[in-house]
Amino acid sequence: GAVVSQHPSWVICKSGTSVKIECRSLDFQATTMFWYRQFPKQSLMLMATSNEGSKATYEQGVEKDKFLINHASLTLSTLTVTSAHPEDSSFYICSARDQRGTSTDTQYFGPGTRLTVL
Amino acid sequence: GQQLNQSPQSMFIQEGEDVSMNCTSSSIFNTWLWYKQEPGEGPVLLIALYKAGELTSNGRLTAQFGITRKDSFLNISASIPSDVGIYFCAGQLGSNYKLTFGKGTLLTVNP
Repeated sequence: GAVVSQHPSWVICKSGTSVKIECRSLDFQATTMFWYRQFPKQSLMLMATSNEGSKATYEQGVEKDKFLINHASLTLSTLTVTSAHPEDSSFYICSARDQRGTSTDTQYFGPGTRLTVL
Repeated sequence: GQQLNQSPQSMFIQEGEDVSMNCTSSSIFNTWLWYKQEPGEGPVLLIALYKAGELTSNGRLTAQFGITRKDSFLNISASIPSDVGIYFCAGQLGSNYKLTFGKGTLLTVNP
Protein backbone atom coordinates (compact mmCIF):
# COMPACT_ATOMS: atom_id res chain seq x y z
CA GLY A 1 0.00 0.00 0.00
CA ALA A 2 0.85 3.67 0.07
CA VAL A 3 -0.51 5.36 3.15
CA VAL A 4 0.12 8.94 4.18
CA SER A 5 -1.05 10.24 7.52
CA GLN A 6 -1.42 13.74 8.90
CA HIS A 7 -1.64 14.96 12.44
CA PRO A 8 -3.65 16.62 13.75
CA SER A 9 -6.75 16.17 11.63
CA TRP A 10 -8.08 19.47 12.87
CA VAL A 11 -6.81 22.30 15.07
CA ILE A 12 -8.27 25.50 16.44
CA CYS A 13 -5.87 28.14 17.67
CA LYS A 14 -5.79 31.75 18.71
CA SER A 15 -4.47 34.45 16.45
CA GLY A 16 -0.75 34.95 16.89
CA THR A 17 0.08 31.41 17.93
CA SER A 18 2.03 28.84 15.91
CA VAL A 19 0.70 25.50 14.77
CA LYS A 20 2.67 22.46 13.64
CA ILE A 21 1.23 19.89 11.24
CA GLU A 22 2.91 16.54 10.67
CA CYS A 23 2.87 14.47 7.48
CA ARG A 24 4.08 10.88 7.57
CA SER A 25 4.50 8.23 4.90
CA LEU A 26 3.62 5.06 6.80
CA ASP A 27 4.71 2.25 4.51
CA PHE A 28 7.23 3.82 2.17
CA GLN A 29 10.04 6.31 2.23
CA ALA A 30 9.52 9.66 0.61
CA THR A 31 12.44 11.89 -0.27
CA THR A 32 9.98 14.42 -1.55
CA MET A 33 6.76 15.59 0.03
CA PHE A 34 4.47 18.43 -0.96
CA TRP A 35 2.28 20.80 1.02
CA TYR A 36 -0.97 22.13 -0.40
CA ARG A 37 -3.63 24.49 0.81
CA GLN A 38 -7.24 24.19 -0.23
CA PHE A 39 -9.97 26.79 0.26
CA PRO A 40 -13.64 25.81 0.16
CA LYS A 41 -14.88 24.72 -3.25
CA GLN A 42 -11.49 25.27 -4.82
CA SER A 43 -8.73 23.08 -6.15
CA LEU A 44 -5.50 22.29 -4.36
CA MET A 45 -2.87 25.01 -4.38
CA LEU A 46 0.74 23.91 -4.04
CA MET A 47 2.56 25.81 -1.32
CA ALA A 48 5.96 24.16 -1.24
CA THR A 49 8.06 21.13 -2.04
CA SER A 50 9.68 19.50 0.95
CA ASN A 51 12.97 17.69 0.27
CA GLU A 52 14.53 15.36 2.81
CA GLY A 53 17.76 16.78 4.14
CA SER A 54 17.55 20.09 2.32
CA LYS A 55 15.61 23.33 2.28
CA ALA A 56 12.08 23.42 1.04
CA THR A 57 11.21 25.07 -2.25
CA TYR A 58 8.34 27.52 -1.99
CA GLU A 59 5.89 28.52 -4.66
CA GLN A 60 5.63 32.14 -5.68
CA GLY A 61 3.66 34.18 -3.20
CA VAL A 62 4.10 31.77 -0.29
CA GLU A 63 5.99 33.28 2.64
CA LYS A 64 8.74 30.91 3.69
CA ASP A 65 9.18 32.62 7.06
CA LYS A 66 5.51 32.14 7.84
CA PHE A 67 5.16 28.56 6.64
CA LEU A 68 8.19 26.72 8.00
CA ILE A 69 8.84 23.30 6.52
CA ASN A 70 11.15 20.67 7.91
CA HIS A 71 11.78 17.28 6.30
CA ALA A 72 14.12 15.67 8.76
CA SER A 73 13.58 12.05 7.84
CA LEU A 74 12.45 9.96 4.89
CA THR A 75 9.01 9.48 6.43
CA LEU A 76 8.23 12.79 8.09
CA SER A 77 7.70 16.36 6.97
CA THR A 78 6.32 19.10 9.17
CA LEU A 79 4.63 22.38 8.32
CA THR A 80 4.58 25.07 10.97
CA VAL A 81 2.26 28.00 10.49
CA THR A 82 3.86 30.77 12.51
CA SER A 83 1.95 33.67 14.03
CA ALA A 84 -1.27 32.37 12.56
CA HIS A 85 -4.03 34.78 11.61
CA PRO A 86 -7.65 34.15 10.63
CA GLU A 87 -6.79 34.39 6.93
CA ASP A 88 -4.54 31.35 7.40
CA SER A 89 -7.59 29.26 8.19
CA SER A 90 -7.76 26.59 5.53
CA PHE A 91 -7.49 22.89 4.76
CA TYR A 92 -3.83 21.89 4.58
CA ILE A 93 -2.98 18.68 2.74
CA CYS A 94 0.34 16.96 2.24
CA SER A 95 1.37 14.43 -0.35
CA ALA A 96 4.32 12.09 -0.55
CA ARG A 97 6.11 11.01 -3.66
CA ASP A 98 6.21 7.24 -4.07
CA GLN A 99 9.19 6.16 -6.12
CA ARG A 100 9.02 2.42 -5.50
CA GLY A 101 7.86 1.57 -9.01
CA THR A 102 10.64 1.01 -11.54
CA SER A 103 8.91 3.10 -14.17
CA THR A 104 6.20 4.81 -12.18
CA ASP A 105 6.18 7.80 -9.92
CA THR A 106 3.09 9.07 -8.22
CA GLN A 107 1.91 11.01 -5.22
CA TYR A 108 -0.32 9.88 -2.40
CA PHE A 109 -2.16 12.37 -0.25
CA GLY A 110 -2.74 12.61 3.46
CA PRO A 111 -6.24 13.08 4.87
CA GLY A 112 -5.72 16.80 5.45
CA THR A 113 -5.65 19.10 8.47
CA ARG A 114 -8.39 21.65 9.04
CA LEU A 115 -6.87 24.78 10.62
CA THR A 116 -9.15 27.37 12.16
CA VAL A 117 -7.58 30.52 13.55
CA LEU A 118 -9.77 32.55 15.86
CA GLY B 1 2.75 28.21 -16.31
CA GLN B 2 0.88 25.09 -17.22
CA GLN B 3 -2.88 25.14 -16.85
CA LEU B 4 -5.39 22.35 -16.92
CA ASN B 5 -8.94 22.81 -18.14
CA GLN B 6 -11.21 20.27 -16.51
CA SER B 7 -14.79 19.78 -17.62
CA PRO B 8 -17.54 19.62 -16.81
CA GLN B 9 -17.43 21.68 -13.64
CA SER B 10 -20.30 19.70 -12.17
CA MET B 11 -22.58 16.82 -13.10
CA PHE B 12 -25.93 15.68 -11.75
CA ILE B 13 -26.80 12.15 -12.85
CA GLN B 14 -29.09 9.28 -11.97
CA GLU B 15 -27.78 6.14 -10.40
CA GLY B 16 -26.78 3.63 -13.06
CA GLU B 17 -25.77 6.21 -15.65
CA ASP B 18 -22.30 6.44 -17.11
CA VAL B 19 -20.14 9.51 -16.53
CA SER B 20 -17.36 11.06 -18.54
CA MET B 21 -15.07 13.93 -17.61
CA ASN B 22 -11.89 15.22 -19.20
CA CYS B 23 -8.90 17.46 -18.84
CA THR B 24 -7.00 19.32 -21.48
CA SER B 25 -3.75 21.19 -21.30
CA SER B 26 -1.94 23.74 -23.38
CA SER B 27 1.27 21.81 -22.88
CA ILE B 28 2.31 18.19 -22.53
CA PHE B 29 2.56 16.06 -19.42
CA ASN B 30 4.50 12.87 -18.72
CA THR B 31 2.02 11.58 -16.18
CA TRP B 32 -1.71 11.99 -15.71
CA LEU B 33 -3.35 11.19 -12.40
CA TRP B 34 -7.00 11.09 -11.43
CA TYR B 35 -8.05 11.64 -7.81
CA LYS B 36 -11.36 11.64 -5.94
CA GLN B 37 -11.91 13.86 -2.94
CA GLU B 38 -14.76 13.62 -0.48
CA PRO B 39 -15.69 16.43 1.92
CA GLY B 40 -13.15 16.97 4.66
CA GLU B 41 -10.73 14.40 3.31
CA GLY B 42 -7.62 14.33 1.20
CA PRO B 43 -7.64 13.25 -2.46
CA VAL B 44 -7.51 9.53 -3.07
CA LEU B 45 -5.67 8.23 -6.11
CA LEU B 46 -7.96 6.45 -8.58
CA ILE B 47 -5.87 5.87 -11.66
CA ALA B 48 -2.34 6.75 -12.75
CA LEU B 49 -1.32 6.96 -16.41
CA TYR B 50 2.30 7.01 -17.52
CA LYS B 51 2.34 6.51 -21.29
CA ALA B 52 0.70 8.37 -24.15
CA GLY B 53 -2.23 6.35 -25.43
CA GLU B 54 -2.41 4.25 -22.27
CA LEU B 55 -5.88 3.05 -21.30
CA THR B 56 -6.25 1.83 -17.72
CA SER B 57 -9.20 0.52 -15.75
CA ASN B 58 -9.86 0.31 -12.03
CA GLY B 59 -13.17 -1.45 -11.48
CA ARG B 60 -15.90 0.71 -12.99
CA LEU B 61 -13.40 3.47 -13.74
CA THR B 62 -11.50 3.81 -16.99
CA ALA B 63 -9.01 6.54 -17.87
CA GLN B 64 -6.90 7.26 -20.89
CA PHE B 65 -3.74 9.25 -21.47
CA GLY B 66 -4.25 11.19 -24.69
CA ILE B 67 -1.94 10.42 -27.57
CA THR B 68 -0.89 14.06 -27.82
CA ARG B 69 0.00 14.00 -24.08
CA LYS B 70 -2.14 17.10 -23.64
CA ASP B 71 -5.36 15.51 -22.48
CA SER B 72 -6.93 12.72 -20.45
CA PHE B 73 -10.42 11.47 -19.75
CA LEU B 74 -12.04 9.52 -16.94
CA ASN B 75 -15.14 7.41 -17.39
CA ILE B 76 -17.26 5.95 -14.63
CA SER B 77 -19.71 3.25 -15.66
CA ALA B 78 -22.95 2.35 -13.90
CA SER B 79 -22.64 5.07 -11.28
CA ILE B 80 -23.67 4.45 -7.68
CA PRO B 81 -24.41 6.89 -4.85
CA SER B 82 -20.98 6.42 -3.29
CA ASP B 83 -19.38 7.83 -6.44
CA VAL B 84 -20.39 11.28 -5.19
CA GLY B 85 -17.43 13.58 -4.71
CA ILE B 86 -15.05 15.88 -6.50
CA TYR B 87 -12.85 14.36 -9.16
CA PHE B 88 -9.54 16.03 -9.94
CA CYS B 89 -7.16 15.44 -12.79
CA ALA B 90 -3.51 16.23 -12.27
CA GLY B 91 -0.60 16.34 -14.68
CA GLN B 92 3.07 15.99 -13.93
CA LEU B 93 6.04 17.01 -16.01
CA GLY B 94 9.63 17.47 -15.17
CA SER B 95 12.10 16.50 -12.54
CA ASN B 96 10.54 18.64 -9.82
CA TYR B 97 7.61 16.17 -9.71
CA LYS B 98 5.12 18.93 -9.02
CA LEU B 99 1.52 18.30 -9.96
CA THR B 100 -0.72 20.71 -11.80
CA PHE B 101 -4.36 20.22 -10.82
CA GLY B 102 -7.56 20.79 -12.70
CA LYS B 103 -10.32 22.69 -10.93
CA GLY B 104 -12.32 19.56 -10.32
CA THR B 105 -15.61 18.01 -11.38
CA LEU B 106 -18.31 17.80 -8.72
CA LEU B 107 -20.33 14.63 -9.24
CA THR B 108 -23.75 14.18 -7.70
CA VAL B 109 -25.55 10.86 -8.12
CA ASN B 110 -29.26 10.72 -7.44
CA PRO B 111 -30.43 7.34 -6.12
